[in-house]
Amino acid sequence: GQNIDQPTEMTATEGAIVQINCTYQTSGFNGLFWYQQHAGEAPTFLSYNVLDGLEEKGRFSSFLSRSKGYSYLLLKELQMKDSASYLCAVRDRGGDYKLSFGAGTTVTVRA
Amino acid sequence: EAGVVQSPRYKIIEKKQPVAFWCNPISGHNTLYWYRQNLGQGPELLIRYENEEAVDDSQLPKDRFSAERLKGVDSTLKIQPAELGDSAVYLCASSLGTPGQGLMRETQYFGPGTRLLVL
Repeated sequence: GQNIDQPTEMTATEGAIVQINCTYQTSGFNGLFWYQQHAGEAPTFLSYNVLDGLEEKGRFSSFLSRSKGYSYLLLKELQMKDSASYLCAVRDRGGDYKLSFGAGTTVTVRA
Repeated sequence: EAGVVQSPRYKIIEKKQPVAFWCNPISGHNTLYWYRQNLGQGPELLIRYENEEAVDDSQLPKDRFSAERLKGVDSTLKIQPAELGDSAVYLCASSLGTPGQGLMRETQYFGPGTRLLVL
């Protein structure tokens, strides 16, 4: 399986930038996903990285370094609605391409 | 387009009782997943279906859990008998295709989940 580590909680101010780090260990890396999950709701897909580098989608960007087993999700121009849990998920070729999730990082945006 | 539909949204039962969850995936999605999410944790895969076939059920506790996906569309997940430790959110997800077929086909879309409390 995979060991996926991400911080438990982060707090930031509205309009600021927050970076959520994710480290993982896997033998057959085959992609990394970021999901957003508001309290009591379903996870929703945010981004996907399979090659090294930065993927930008509006206010959200995700970075991957496969050699370091590291990714981050960057949230810019934070809004109150961004308060949610952010889940890092890694797919492993050896696990029949199963998606393994981290425990999630709860981001609280303050006014 | 409707998303993944799950019912019930909430369920409270006493231990040793049976319980069943139902999932209707997004129309046209061939792959269906059942996950369990404990409080403060990420979802953990229980079983994955490709059409009617269960292709990965290695994490499904088969002594008490069972699942089926008749006709390759709707799916049910059953626990019998339920234990206190089964209290969790049970999430259903679907994707157009299978992992490795490209982002559009393999992105998973989640339903709202069923919150189970076993007393």
